[in-house]
Amino acid sequence: GQNIDQPTEMTATEGAIVQINCTYQTSGFNGLFWYQQHAGEAPTFLSYNVLDGLEEKGRFSSFLSRSKGYSYLLLKELQMKDSASYLCAVRDSNYQLIWGAGTKLIIKP
Amino acid sequence: DGGITQSPKYLFRKEGQNVTLSCEQNLNHDAMYWYRQDPGQGLRLIYYSQIVNDFQKGDIAEGYSVSREKKESFPLTVTSAQKNPTAFYLCASSIIQGSSTNEKLFFGSGTQLSVL
Repeated sequence: GQNIDQPTEMTATEGAIVQINCTYQTSGFNGLFWYQQHAGEAPTFLSYNVLDGLEEKGRFSSFLSRSKGYSYLLLKELQMKDSASYLCAVRDSNYQLIWGAGTKLIIKP
Repeated sequence: DGGITQSPKYLFRKEGQNVTLSCEQNLNHDAMYWYRQDPGQGLRLIYYSQIVNDFQKGDIAEGYSVSREKKESFPLTVTSAQKNPTAFYLCASSIIQGSSTNEKLFFGSGTQLSVL
């Protein structure tokens, strides 16, 4: 079966750095997405990786290793507004998106 | 501003009742999707549509129905056959489905459906 694993919840301190991991086992791979979702709101697109390596976009970076079936989202200079759930999704060989359950990130002052 | 509008934000269903969730987009996107989000689970695809008057079942289509009479609109009906309808329902759209790998989804703000 297809599976995406993320930690259920993480806690970090304002101003610090946090890394949210995502591991996947899917039938084929056609890219990995990270979305941010505040409680009761729409998920919004953060990043896309299809090749190995690091993609940097401001305070957020995303890394991919296809050989290890592994990605992480790195958030720097954490702000209170970064408190949200972070969803990892993989596009499989049929171009369907497989979603992880999301990681709830709690930021403390 | 372009976007996706879902309504209502909250909806209550009585036993044996069908309810319809609205989804409208003005992004001129071809593809539209309905997802169900339950606590502790990833998003699960209910139905999707790539063009007007055509749609396909997703992973959990039983107990749901959709229509795509206009490009902008993709309403979801939760029928009485859906025995566990309580969930957060998300509508999404994208430029085109399946032919490119980096197309991202744009989501509406969701409808929370609860059973009375």
